Amino acid sequence: GIQVEQSPPDLILQEGANSTLRCNFSDSVNNLQWFHQNPWGQLINLFYIPSGTKQNGRLSATTVATERYSLLYISSSQTTDSGVYFCAVETETSGSRLTFGEGTQLTVNP
Amino acid sequence: NAGVTQTPKFRILKIGQSMTLQCAQDMNHNYMYWYRQDPGMGLKLIYYSVGAGITDKGEVPNGYNVSRSTTEDFPLRLELAAPSQTSVYFCASSYRGQGASEQYFGPGTRLTVT
Repeated sequence: GIQVEQSPPDLILQEGANSTLRCNFSDSVNNLQWFHQNPWGQLINLFYIPSGTKQNGRLSATTVATERYSLLYISSSQTTDSGVYFCAVETETSGSRLTFGEGTQLTVNP
Repeated sequence: NAGVTQTPKFRILKIGQSMTLQCAQDMNHNYMYWYRQDPGMGLKLIYYSVGAGITDKGEVPNGYNVSRSTTEDFPLRLELAAPSQTSVYFCASSYRGQGASEQYFGPGTRLTVT
């Protein structure tokens, strides 16, 4: 099956700093989603981005499908950005299944 | 819209007990999914359904059963609970036409089997 690798596994920032999270995948995808799992365990949809670039406030994402990677940018980070960020992908042959990476644990200190 | 709702939020089971995790969505989505998340890991698909009356296995189906009698509801049944089923369970839904689409997740059920 498809492999999804996220980097870095852990990231510690001071409030106000910018960061880039990366997601590499091993096959062509027809769905790619970024999620934020907050400290209470809730999964929050950030982006549905199988290709191209999207922005939502301080967050933006870019997927380069031909090169099999996606990037999530967080600017002017806030303590409420803390949590785990997951990338999840679906392929033509995966039977509607989202395959998740192992996540990036982000800690933003005040 | 309430989106995807799950009950209960928390549950403790003894080994060998059974229970049903409830999931409902009010977005008229045709696809519904059950995932589990073990500590420090990403989610893995247990079962999914493409519509009422149709279900299929995901990556980790052993020890679970599902049914889909209506578009809105997709319960997950655990028979003979085992400690390995201690996990957080997430239900999700999506509307699929010709291709893939965004999946929306419920708040999760935290299950402990002791």
